[in-house]
This record gives sequence, C-alpha cells and structure tokens, in this order.
Amino acid sequence: DAMVIQNPRYQVTQFGKPVTLSCSQTLNHNVMYWYQQKSSQAPKLLFHYYDKDFNNEADTPDNFQSRRPNTSFCFLDIRSPGLGDAAMYLCATSPQLGGRIHTQYFGPGTRLTVL
Amino acid sequence: RKEVEQDPGPFNVPEGATVAFNCTYSNSASQSFFWYRQDCRKEPKLLMSVYSSGNEDGRFTAQLNRASQYISLLIRDSKLSDSATYLCVVNRGSTLGRLYFGRGTQLTVWP
Repeated sequence: DAMVIQNPRYQVTQFGKPVTLSCSQTLNHNVMYWYQQKSSQAPKLLFHYYDKDFNNEADTPDNFQSRRPNTSFCFLDIRSPGLGDAAMYLCATSPQLGGRIHTQYFGPGTRLTVL
Repeated sequence: RKEVEQDPGPFNVPEGATVAFNCTYSNSASQSFFWYRQDCRKEPKLLMSVYSSGNEDGRFTAQLNRASQYISLLIRDSKLSDSATYLCVVNRGSTLGRLYFGRGTQLTVWP
C-alpha cells in the first residue's frame, strides 16, 4: 500500500505557466519535505514543514512556494517554471519521535518537463 | 567543501563480486547515517541505517568511523538486482531532521 503518494507522476508544462504538484501521506507523519533532483545529482531540499511551521532553505528561489493545508497533504507551487526547473520533485515524510527526527520516506516523485 | 562526498563511480562488477562504497562527511556534529538506494528514475529508498558498532543486513554491511568521519557500504555476492545508485545520507540529528545527501555511487552488476 502506497504510504506517500505524489500526483501527477509526470507533469508537462509550458515555460512560465504555473504548475502545482501534490503529495499526500497515510503515515500521519508531522514532518513533510520537498526535494528537487536533477539528473545525476543529489536530491536538493527546497523546504520542509514541521507540523504547520514552514522552513525555507536559504537558496530556494522565490518561484517555489508551498502549502500544507493539513497533516496529510502538501503542495508545491511553481509560479513561473523555467527550463532549469525541469527535474524530479520528491516529497518525503518523517516522524518525530522522542524529540528527534528519524529517517525519511519518499514518494515516487513527479517528473516535471518544461517546454 | 560539500557536506557529504562520495565516489560517483560507476562501478561495474560481475555477479557474485564483492564491492565497497565509501563516503565522507564534513560536519562532526552529524549523528545519524544512512544508505539509500535509488533505481533509475525512481525515488530513493532506505537501504539501511548505519550504527557506530557496524551493522549487517544479509549481504550488506555498513560501517561508521566517527573519528575519520567515514562511512562505508559493503555488498557481498552481488546480484543483478543490486544495480542502482547508492546514496550516502547524513543527519545532524537536530529536531529539524535535515538530511544531507551525497551525489550517489552508481553500481552496475553484469551477468
């Protein structure tokens, strides 16, 4: 049974056309993350939520925004996609147990193509 | 200096071979260590956590040397299905759960 679900799995958009990627989880984890991964590179953390608290990485462009309306769902909005934003976008979740964050569980990713 | 450094490979080995991957991390405050496996165009999946005493899971053995800030993964009796990219991952252990990924080491096992 899928525990971290991402939709869509493949997304094609046009240069400058806003796009929203979604992530949902059945694990009831309180921490959710969005990563960008380009070919042959390590996943790059864009931001994460600790419950409703939003934590942005310093080098994440303003073009990337996120929303977390409830524990189960998290969205990544790319306001004006550029060709350089074509990548795999990975959502991950993690439980916080005993005051510490444990390992992360990844969704299958959304592969974004920008034309 | 990058937070986590790995030899990118590629490593090409025959079935049945033993192969070892190395990884170094730069921050001595790091507290948790993992190896993830990532198949082509798929998401990373946790292979194993790495403990100070070293740990083994079937054909896979992970070692941690905190003094040298060095992590290793040994795969014995390689299978075709082991072909993947292996990511070394480090967590500083803060409540924010920030993971730092290496670029990954690519392994191809051939028949």
